[in-house]
Amino acid sequence: RKEVEQDPGPFNVPEGATVAFNCTYSNSASQSFFWYRQDCRKEPKLLMSVYSSGNEDGRFTAQLNRASQYISLLIRDSKLSDSATYLCVVNPSGSARQLTFGSGTQLTVLP
Amino acid sequence: NAGVTQTPKFRVLKTGQSMTLLCAQDMNHEYMYWYRQDPGMGLRLIHYSVGEGTTAKGEVPDGYNVSRLKKQNFLLGLESAAPSQTSVYFCASSPSIGHAFGSGTRLTVV
Repeated sequence: RKEVEQDPGPFNVPEGATVAFNCTYSNSASQSFFWYRQDCRKEPKLLMSVYSSGNEDGRFTAQLNRASQYISLLIRDSKLSDSATYLCVVNPSGSARQLTFGSGTQLTVLP
Repeated sequence: NAGVTQTPKFRVLKTGQSMTLLCAQDMNHEYMYWYRQDPGMGLRLIHYSVGEGTTAKGEVPDGYNVSRLKKQNFLLGLESAAPSQTSVYFCASSPSIGHAFGSGTRLTVV
């Protein structure tokens, strides 16, 4: 079983749609959680951290369910510029700031 | 502010050749990392460093060596390249948990 699992997609949605990505992680002692965005042939960039109480950044909302070991990312009012691969990322406990990356979910927003 | 800079950006090697990838950061970060990214696999940690003069193995260290002689530089070496090392290599640095990545090195071993 992979440490971090994501639906690879692809998700193809029309502009303005709401889309949700899910992620599960296997290490119940994991401490920190993130969503990264990666554009084609570019480096990953931090989109947002994920907090236990849930957090929002503009059109993006992240949720964490520690009991189910589940993380989600909701994108509202999708823009063409949101087209990218979204990486679910976890910091396992006691891992010297190491991060474990999911393989990513590909999103294409269509005009 | 350059952030994290990787050189070279592209390279083609023949099987058995050696090379060194250079990562430089100007943010005074203690932690630095080397990852490889393959299709469908996500990023996998090769080696990392928690400070100048220290290195440690990650998930996939075989076939690679690293050195951190200066805080701002983290070098990744391939002593005898193999086709299985064809990949995109990313360097990252971190002041805490979140990583700042370099733009990557696309390496092809033929």
